[in-house]
Amino acid sequence: NAGVTQTPKFQVLKTGQSMTLQCAQDMNHNSMYWYRQDPGMGLRLIYYSASEGTTDKGEVPNGYNVSRLNKREFSLRLESAAPSQTSVYFCASYQDRASEAFFGQGTRLTVV
Amino acid sequence: SQQGEEDPQALSIQEGENATMNCSYKTSINNLQWYRQNSGRGLVHLILIRSNEREKHSGRLRVTLDTSKKSSSLLITASRAADTASYFCATNRGSYIPTFGRGTSLIVHP
Repeated sequence: NAGVTQTPKFQVLKTGQSMTLQCAQDMNHNSMYWYRQDPGMGLRLIYYSASEGTTDKGEVPNGYNVSRLNKREFSLRLESAAPSQTSVYFCASYQDRASEAFFGQGTRLTVV
Repeated sequence: SQQGEEDPQALSIQEGENATMNCSYKTSINNLQWYRQNSGRGLVHLILIRSNEREKHSGRLRVTLDTSKKSSSLLITASRAADTASYFCATNRGSYIPTFGRGTSLIVHP
């Protein structure tokens, strides 16, 4: 069981470039979340998908889009990267909102 | 907004000592969870305590929950250098999405 797999692990972008962060889980979970983690800020929710076919904004959605491709996969897209989006991005999956979260290993993104 | 807030922000102890960190929250919850994050890694779930429970144990971990004070504590007994990590609490409020605090950074000196 791989759990939650994120790709890539590291990425450097130039301002204005676009990219997609991939996340896949093999636990048949319904809910998937994208967080960003910045020093001193803890985890902030960007977008989430409570179930296949639905997506909702979290605390900091500006500059991002998401796609719940199927039950396994939930991608995060940066259309025009900005230095303020330099962060570590985590994908997590939950069976439901009351259960524990399973996290991927993170994507460290630097925008220059 | 942060529902759960950990305290202290940083904790430094010697191996063998106990480590206690606290989490306070603002509104009623269904459950509260503690996670550990090693440097450069994703969060790992440690323990979940429901709102009708007062104490829970898992190995060297002891979690308490006081719903009247809206607070929880995580105690790590006989700490080891390998316990060095950041610890986060997360609260679950029914239909609301889970929210995480900013974490406590624990350093255990060998």
